[in-house]
This record gives sequence, structure tokens and C-alpha cells, in this order.
Amino acid sequence: KNQVEQSPQSLIILEGKNCTLQCNYTVSPFSNLRWYKQDTGRGPVSLTIMTFSENTKSNGRYTATLDADTKQSSLHITASQLSDSASYICVVSAIDSSNTGKLIFGQGTTLQVKP
Amino acid sequence: KAGVTQTPRYLIKTRGQQVTLSCSPISGHRSVSWYQQTPGQGLQFLFEYFSETQRNKGNFPGRFSGRQFSNSRSEMNVSTLELGDSALYLCASRLLRANTEAFFGQGTRLTVV
Repeated sequence: KNQVEQSPQSLIILEGKNCTLQCNYTVSPFSNLRWYKQDTGRGPVSLTIMTFSENTKSNGRYTATLDADTKQSSLHITASQLSDSASYICVVSAIDSSNTGKLIFGQGTTLQVKP
Repeated sequence: KAGVTQTPRYLIKTRGQQVTLSCSPISGHRSVSWYQQTPGQGLQFLFEYFSETQRNKGNFPGRFSGRQFSNSRSEMNVSTLELGDSALYLCASRLLRANTEAFFGQGTRLTVV
């Protein structure tokens, strides 16, 4: 069964600190993995995309890693800011035989950055 | 270019009523998917439309239905509303079904009282 699990479920950190969010998946056949940021009451916005051959990708203070062997990904946030307070959703895509991209969503990690 | 537009943004309905939500995808995008998001449940897939045809359906009762028009705009309908239908309903558009980047709208916050 295709599944995406994220941890922790929620996290509280102080402004300026770093944090790492985890995503474990059992999705086959794997196409790519995206991290989305969702501010409260708004739609998710894509932060990064990781394909099978990529290990690390950065987007400003966000750095995503992918270990395709262990089927794990992480999202590292450096020097957190109050505006980083949001839910972070890991989405894994599988391409089936009809060339359809099926999206499997994790439950998300809610991050709260306190001053 | 304009993003995904969902209307209305907020809606309050009473139990037993029905509601219709609208989603206009990014221009040129042909795939529209709908999701229900409630606290602690994450995004639950409702259905996907492509070229005016429902291609995939999640595990929701028949009270939830949708359709897609020739201009790719989509509507979602929920009949006989229940308190548990209160949620943020998100629409996502993709250029093609094979594309894996989904662009989300701002959502419609539905409250059933």
C-alpha cells in the first residue's frame, strides 16, 4: 500500500533555531517527492521537488534531502523565522502504467516558531 | 499568470442543505483534483477530473459529486450536508495527469451548523 508518513506531527522552536522534518514513504513506482508549505487557511505551495537521482536540493533557508534506498526524505529549515510557522506536507508521486501521476500525501508537520 | 481560483472563500450552511464550490484552474491546465482537509486528517482525496471526465475517486460517500466543464473549470457539490463536512476544501490543478506538480487554490472554508 502506498503510504507517506511524516514526523513529528508538530514542533515548536524558537526563532533563529534550526529544525528538521522527516518523511518516510512506501510508494512504488516512485517518481518524485515534493515538500509543500501550507500557511493557516491557505492552499499548499511547493517548496522543493526531489527526483530519484537527487540527494539534496536547497531553496533559500530550506534544504531537502532524499535517500531513495531507505525511502526517507528530510526538510531542514535554517535560522527559522516567524513566517516559517506553517504546516509542511510531504507529497510523493508515482507514475502508473497509464502515465498518470498519482499523488500520495503525508499528514503534515505543524511547525510553530516562537519569538 | 493567474493561479488557481476557488470561490467562495468562506461558506456557512446548515445541516441538510446542499452546497456547490467552484474551481478555476490555471489557464491551460486540464487536470483538476479536489481534496478535503480537516484538522488532524491531512488532505483527503475526493476526486480528479480530466477532459470533463472523472478519472479517480476517493473514499467519500455519494453525497460528494463533481463535474468539469469544457473550459476545465470544475465544480464540487455536497448534498445533504452533515456537521462532519465542515472542512477546508482545496482544489489543485495540473497541466496534464502525468505532471506531478499540483498547484493549489486558496481553498473554500465550509462550516456546517
